[in-house]
Amino acid sequence: GQNIDQPTEMTATEGAIVQINCTYQTSGFNGLFWYQQHAGEAPTFLSYNVLDGLEEKGRFSSFLSRSKGYSYLLLKELQMKDSASYLCAVNTGGFKTIFGAGTRLFVKA
Amino acid sequence: EAQVTQNPRYLITVTGKKLTVTCSQNMNHEYMSWYRQDPGLGLRQIYYSMNVEVTDKGDVPEGYKVSRKEKRNFPLILESPSPNQTSLYFCASTPSQGRSPLHFGNGTRLTVT
Repeated sequence: GQNIDQPTEMTATEGAIVQINCTYQTSGFNGLFWYQQHAGEAPTFLSYNVLDGLEEKGRFSSFLSRSKGYSYLLLKELQMKDSASYLCAVNTGGFKTIFGAGTRLFVKA
Repeated sequence: EAQVTQNPRYLITVTGKKLTVTCSQNMNHEYMSWYRQDPGLGLRQIYYSMNVEVTDKGDVPEGYKVSRKEKRNFPLILESPSPNQTSLYFCASTPSQGRSPLHFGNGTRLTVT
């Protein structure tokens, strides 16, 4: 079967760095996405990786290793507003995107 | 403003009473999709559409119908809702397959009693 695994919850301190891991096993791979979702709201796009390596976008970076089926999202200089769920999603080909269950991040003062 | 609009935001209904959740996008996107989100399970794809009059089943299509008569609209129809369809539903669109992110509507929280 196909599955995407990520930790259920994480807690970090304001100003710190946190890394959210995602491992995947899918029948196809056409890119990996990270989305942010605040409680009760729609997911919003954060980053996209299709080649191995690190993509940096301001305080957010995302890494991909296709051979290991592994990605992580790195959040630097954490702010209270970063408290949200982070969704790892893989496009398996065509119009098929599957999502992990999400990692709920709590940022404490 | 570019957006995906879903209605209604909240809906409480009873078992067996047909309902439709509307979805409209103003970005001329070819691809549209419906997801349901349940605690611990993440977003699961119900149906998707690659273009007008072209639709296909996702991972959890049972109990749902869709139609795509116009490019901008992609309604989700529950002919005979049941309590296990109580969930948070999201409509999403993207201009092309693969590399473009999904743009999500604000969600519809459905409760079936």
